Amino acid sequence: EVQLVESGGGLVQPGGSLRLSCAASGFTFSSYWMSWVRQAPGKGLEWVANIKQDGSEKYYVDSVKGRFTISRDNAKNSLYLQMNSLRAEDTAVYYCAKNFGVVISGMDVWGQGTTVTVSS
Amino acid sequence: DIQMTQSPSSLSASVGDRVTITCQASQDISNYLNWYQQKPGKAPKLLIYDASNLETGVPSRFSGSGSGTDFTFTISSLQPEDIATYYCQQYDNLQTFGQGTKVEIK
Repeated sequence: EVQLVESGGGLVQPGGSLRLSCAASGFTFSSYWMSWVRQAPGKGLEWVANIKQDGSEKYYVDSVKGRFTISRDNAKNSLYLQMNSLRAEDTAVYYCAKNFGVVISGMDVWGQGTTVTVSS
Repeated sequence: DIQMTQSPSSLSASVGDRVTITCQASQDISNYLNWYQQKPGKAPKLLIYDASNLETGVPSRFSGSGSGTDFTFTISSLQPEDIATYYCQQYDNLQTFGQGTKVEIK
């Protein structure tokens, strides 16, 4: 079964850090671009970051540039999002997602999401 | 950055009705456009890719069309299980989602 399972969410104070993880199974993880997408409470979907199959290319939405870092470990079939200098507006459910093409495309497999709450 | 404008933001229709949602890109994105369905508390689900291709396993009452800047998503006969929020997404330049359309039963 193709599956993505996120972990690492929680409550963190403004200015703090958190590292999200996403464990992939059921497909050849190293063959696909991977993405993080977030959804603030009651709001729409927002793409956050992408990473190429070999980790050589990474892209971020402007609001997280310099604060968030996407990475992957193909040997462990895992995707990560290191989030530093967190702000209240980063509060959201964070989804990891597999792109369906070998280039940046759309997302055909999604995790269940992990909740990040930034509050004092 | 490419902006995606969806309309309407919400709609109410009866079971069996034809429902149409539009999505406009701020620049030409060819057919690099996907549609997703999201039910409350659940992850999004890919329904349509490359503007008009139905994802495997998705009912044929869902369809998509368009190219360039103007796109349309249609549910030919609304069913109770279609109650959800629908999003368009471009991937011509990175990825951007529309703001979503909430579909309710009248």
